[in-house]
Amino acid sequence: TQLLEQSPQFLSIQEGENLTVYCNSSSVFSSLQWYRQEPGEGPVLLVTVVTGGEVKKLKRLTFQFGDARKDSSLHITAAQPGDTGLYLCAGAAGAQKLVFGQGTRLTINP
Amino acid sequence: EPEVTQTPSHQVTQMGQEVILRCVPISNHLYFYWYRQILGQKVEFLVSFYNNEISEKSEIFDDQFSVERPDGSNFTLKIRSTKLEDSAMYFCASSEARSYGYTFGSGTRLTVV
Repeated sequence: TQLLEQSPQFLSIQEGENLTVYCNSSSVFSSLQWYRQEPGEGPVLLVTVVTGGEVKKLKRLTFQFGDARKDSSLHITAAQPGDTGLYLCAGAAGAQKLVFGQGTRLTINP
Repeated sequence: EPEVTQTPSHQVTQMGQEVILRCVPISNHLYFYWYRQILGQKVEFLVSFYNNEISEKSEIFDDQFSVERPDGSNFTLKIRSTKLEDSAMYFCASSEARSYGYTFGSGTRLTVV
């Protein structure tokens, strides 16, 4: 069974600080996706990374896929209250299936 | 921006009853999925559907579950005889291609009483 573990599970920081969220597995994934989920809503795709070592930027968010395609990180620079939410990583496992991590609940305090 | 539409947003049903959850995927997408999320738990894969057939399913997706694409736009999940443990948020998703990111709907909250 392929599992993804996210850390930390909860993170509360002040506006303007930087942070990194991690997504780790002992399994190799063909690609990895990051989502953000608001309460009562479906996950919203932020980025897909496919190649080992790949780095993608989305404004103040930087996503990296590990060289061995077993782990990924999300780094946020100068966090803002609007970044508050639940961040999920999901690995492509099998032909057409995503395995989700349990999420990191991020709170940015003004 | 194109979106995946799910109806109803909430459904309460009695144990043992059949329910049908409906989804309209994005029109040019070819891959369709159902996931569920029990309150406080991870999002879990149920089934994927491509070219009018199931391409992969999880151990959760037993004989009580079925999916159908009855016309060119709708994609449904049927639970034949609901159990209390089927209570969850059910998400439909679609994608343009296998390695592309998914677009999820807002979900149907199913409560079995």
